[in-house]
Amino acid sequence: GAGVSQSPRYKVTKRGQDVALRCDPISGHVSLYWYRQALGQGPEFLTYFNYEAQQDKSGLPNDRFSAERPEGSISTLTIQRTEQRDSAMYRCASTPGTYFSPLHFGNGTRLTVT
Amino acid sequence: DAKTTQPNSMESNEEEPVHLPCNHSTISGTDYIHWYRQLPSQGPEYVIHGLTSNVNNRMASLAIAEDRKSSTLILHRATLRDAAVYYCILRGDNTGNQFYFGTGTSLTVIP
Repeated sequence: GAGVSQSPRYKVTKRGQDVALRCDPISGHVSLYWYRQALGQGPEFLTYFNYEAQQDKSGLPNDRFSAERPEGSISTLTIQRTEQRDSAMYRCASTPGTYFSPLHFGNGTRLTVT
Repeated sequence: DAKTTQPNSMESNEEEPVHLPCNHSTISGTDYIHWYRQLPSQGPEYVIHGLTSNVNNRMASLAIAEDRKSSTLILHRATLRDAAVYYCILRGDNTGNQFYFGTGTSLTVIP
């Protein structure tokens, strides 16, 4: 079956614009995670969902960042009024949901804010 | 809060075994120990996980201390393709589902 799919792969936007990053998880996976990764750093947790419910958004840096997963499948991470410091790789991962289930990562979206 | 401690970097000679340590002194009884690795320019990939007993799979072995406060990922014969950042992560009732990655151990394999 298909893995986790993220789009777009690359996004260049101007400061102040809004961007929406999409994640299509593996079919049937209950949990979906969003991470941000700066160069040379480990993935930084942003938020996660079980089905359509956002369980934890404590990692979202500020109120310009939001995420949704309205039907418990595809998720969108939205960044409003982008700033240069938002430039990073944004990674999505999904898992069946149990504590012993591994995370499956997508290829990520490279966001560059100019 | 990663709740695990790993060395920042390690080196190994090619075709020799590598032992990557991880300390997790606050582990609870329901926490699984997961290991992931991230190759250059790629996303993290699952390596192995365990709860109490040592585990083996085609990629690696996981040795878990009897008190579960530490574990060691063992690569039996390091290859150049094993050069990556290795992350040790806890997942269970104590950690919830946040899956914090921490800074990991950067493994260099010397030809």
